[in-house]
Amino acid sequence: AQSVSQHNHHVILSEAASLELGCNYSYGGTVNLFWYVQYPGQHLQLLLKYFSGDPLVKGIKGFEAEFIKSKFSFNLRKPSVQWSDTAEYFCAGRSSNTGKLIFGQGTTLQVKP
Amino acid sequence: DGGITQSPKYLFRKEGQNVTLSCEQNLNHDAMYWYRQDPGQGLRLIYYSQIVNDFQKGDIAEGYSVSREKKESFPLTVTSAQKNPTAFYLCASSTIQGPGELFFGEGSRLTVL
Repeated sequence: AQSVSQHNHHVILSEAASLELGCNYSYGGTVNLFWYVQYPGQHLQLLLKYFSGDPLVKGIKGFEAEFIKSKFSFNLRKPSVQWSDTAEYFCAGRSSNTGKLIFGQGTTLQVKP
Repeated sequence: DGGITQSPKYLFRKEGQNVTLSCEQNLNHDAMYWYRQDPGQGLRLIYYSQIVNDFQKGDIAEGYSVSREKKESFPLTVTSAQKNPTAFYLCASSTIQGPGELFFGEGSRLTVL
């Protein structure tokens, strides 16, 4: 079955620390991968997406993610987090075989000032 | 402005009643989706549709029904068979070509008393 898994449910970091959030998918065929962010009280916002080409994808607000096909992973990274990055982060993936787009369980990031 | 409109924003119903949530888009997107968001569980796919008059079950379709009679519209009915209907429901749409990231509506919060 198609699935997207996020390893970390709750992450607490201090400002300026580096961030890496794990995401693994189980899909056949070509995949499109996404990271979305939901700030407190706000709606989901697209951070970045992978469709094809360069596996290192840069998004908004200094975030990036690397698609590693051999590991079925699409981890999100940021070199130095800020208090304003406190939010819930969702990894999502779509299989080209089915068009079905599913989300991971989400990771809550808390950044301490 | 192009976008996705969900209504109503808040809805209260008694147990045993069916309710229908509206979702309309004017983005000319082929694909539409319904998700349910619960704390700690991320977004779970209820139903999705890639073309008019066709739709597929997602991971938690039991107790829900949909229709796709028009490209712009994808209403969701929460039936009395849904055991735990109180939740936040999100509608989304996307293209089916290219990366196909989701565009979300503002959501509908259903409370069953």
